[in-house]
Amino acid sequence: GQQVMQIPQYQHVQEGEDFTTYCNSSTTLSNIQWYKQRPGGHPVFLIQLVKSGEVKKQKRLTFQFGEAKKNSSLHITATQTTDVGTYFCAGYFGNEKLTFGTGTRLTIIP
Amino acid sequence: GAGVSQTPSNKVTEKGKYVELRCDPISGHTALYWYRQSLGQGPEFLIYFQGTGAADDSGLPNDRFFAVRPEGSVSTLKIQRTERGDSAVYLCASSLAPFETQYFGPGTRLLVL
Repeated sequence: GQQVMQIPQYQHVQEGEDFTTYCNSSTTLSNIQWYKQRPGGHPVFLIQLVKSGEVKKQKRLTFQFGEAKKNSSLHITATQTTDVGTYFCAGYFGNEKLTFGTGTRLTIIP
Repeated sequence: GAGVSQTPSNKVTEKGKYVELRCDPISGHTALYWYRQSLGQGPEFLIYFQGTGAADDSGLPNDRFFAVRPEGSVSTLKIQRTERGDSAVYLCASSLAPFETQYFGPGTRLLVL
């Protein structure tokens, strides 16, 4: 079936260090979305990428969509304690069913 | 405005019982989704409604699971003969239209003893 894999599963960083999570699919995605889920919370939409090679920025967050539309990444510059949570990518494979990745849990060491 | 709401927030039931989980989407959102999230996993798609009809129910694990959205707004996820493996957080999300941003509710945490 269509799956979306994410690495790493866990990431512990010192506050102020950078963080990157990677998302990979075996088949081409129509578009990809990123969500953040705080501990005990629900997923909150961050951004959507549609075009091949697209790059979008939100303050310290940079999102990329691969040229082949099979991979994506989220990079956080100079992490803060408010960045704690699990980051999920989620993709559409041509229908309305959104497939979530396995997630990367980020913890920050103050 | 109000976000997506789900009731109950927690549900404890015994194996074999029937449960209903309710989702109130954001007003005006035509698309409604149900997901199941187990501990340490990403949300797993169950079913998608466009208006009153289930446009895609391919994620429902078996025929014990059923969902309705009779008036195109509130939706109910129904689980018959619950099993311990059904224990999870059931999330509902809505969007203005397909492929638009999905707004998630707080979820219902279901525990089957």
